[in-house]
Amino acid sequence: DAGVTQSPTHLIKTRGQQVTLRCSPISGHKSVSWYQQVLGQGPQFIFQYYEKEERGRGNFPDRFSARQFPNYSSELNVNALLLGDSALYLCASSLGVSEQYFGPGTRLTVT
Amino acid sequence: AQRVTQPEKLLSVFKGAPVELKCNYSYSGSPELFWYVQYSRQRLQLLLRHISRESIKGFTADLNKGETSFHLKKPFAQEEDSAMYYCALLLDQTGANNLFFGTGTRLTVIP
Repeated sequence: DAGVTQSPTHLIKTRGQQVTLRCSPISGHKSVSWYQQVLGQGPQFIFQYYEKEERGRGNFPDRFSARQFPNYSSELNVNALLLGDSALYLCASSLGVSEQYFGPGTRLTVT
Repeated sequence: AQRVTQPEKLLSVFKGAPVELKCNYSYSGSPELFWYVQYSRQRLQLLLRHISRESIKGFTADLNKGETSFHLKKPFAQEEDSAMYYCALLLDQTGANNLFFGTGTRLTVIP
């Protein structure tokens, strides 16, 4: 198993645009979480999905949305991009409670 | 409010010296704490969790509820221990289990 995979690796967008990031969890994992990591900070929780339902949401504006598909993969969407959205976006999958396995991340740059 | 504090952004020790990475937390519930590590050009990975009480790569961490601390220790640092270390607190918010990370400590082991 390749572990958690994310695409794309890098992305450059302009302010006001929209972006979609993708994540494939480890086979058998039904929970996917998204984190934002700004340079110099620890990852910050955005969303968690379990069995295609949103289980939790961090302190992020409504411009951020996500969904989980029947195969448990997930997409994170960010609308109306701001310069401050530039960050590494991490996806993590888990079987159930607590232990989360992280993907390599998608580096988003907003210019 | 929950909080995870890692007071040292940078920590340098000589090879063979003891190392301690500090982590303090603030949480009203029963804490479940983790240490994650990120080696150069690798993804974030779980190092250890306090529930398992195990030693990984020579590292140990004891939860001290009285001092609200979960410091990471290793008696003899090795060059391969150089990495970014994050302390994380598991939060259970309305069924979601999300990790609240500290800002991280970059450990450099000097040969």
